[in-house]
Amino acid sequence: DTGVSQDPRHKITKRGQNVTFRCDPISEHNRLYWYRQTLGQGPEFLTYFQNEAQLEKSRLLSDRFSAERPKGSFSTLEIQRTEQGDSAMYLCASSLVTGIAGTEYIMNTEAFFGQGTRLTVV
Amino acid sequence: DAKTTQPPSMDCAEGRAANLPCNHSTISGNEYVYWYRQIHSQGPQYIIHGLKNNETNEMASLIITEDRKSSTLILPHATLRDTAVYYCIVRVGYGGSQGNLIFGKGTKLSVKP
Repeated sequence: DTGVSQDPRHKITKRGQNVTFRCDPISEHNRLYWYRQTLGQGPEFLTYFQNEAQLEKSRLLSDRFSAERPKGSFSTLEIQRTEQGDSAMYLCASSLVTGIAGTEYIMNTEAFFGQGTRLTVV
Repeated sequence: DAKTTQPPSMDCAEGRAANLPCNHSTISGNEYVYWYRQIHSQGPQYIIHGLKNNETNEMASLIITEDRKSSTLILPHATLRDTAVYYCIVRVGYGGSQGNLIFGKGTKLSVKP
């Protein structure tokens, strides 16, 4: 058990519907990541948060995707108007960053992943 | 893009050591080498990481060459449960606000009885 929880584990939805996934990171971790993984590929980075701030978004995160982490704890990933190409495993990970941002004195621990949410769009 | 090169697949006999190689010739001074594995239908699992020195924990050993351009993950006594895709990743561990892991396709390790 890595300590990162994702809900639901599986989701089947019809094309065009909206879906929302939740991730609860390890409690003391201030950094949270979202990844997407399709069959036969490694996980692809989508976005990450430092506390409640969304610091980076990949080109994969189209305008139909939105992620939030309102209180710097759990996060949600919403996909609007789902398409069949959105079918994938959505993975969440968390890590702890300590130190002074922008300096050599910042450390980022290893990231721990949840079990993922498998989305199937039919 | 991933900064590492790994063989796509390897086989290992149960009980023998599994040695998984990784090339990372463009690694920067503040980048660590991380290894994760992913068992079918599960999230990636952290194994080990290192900067310059060799590292060992209860799961594996990590051997990093002196020039840091390559490394080897060693599972000393592979079991059937070690069958998984193993990912070698280089990642900024200090001195920067980055830290997202960039995965390649990894090495699919098959442990056979």
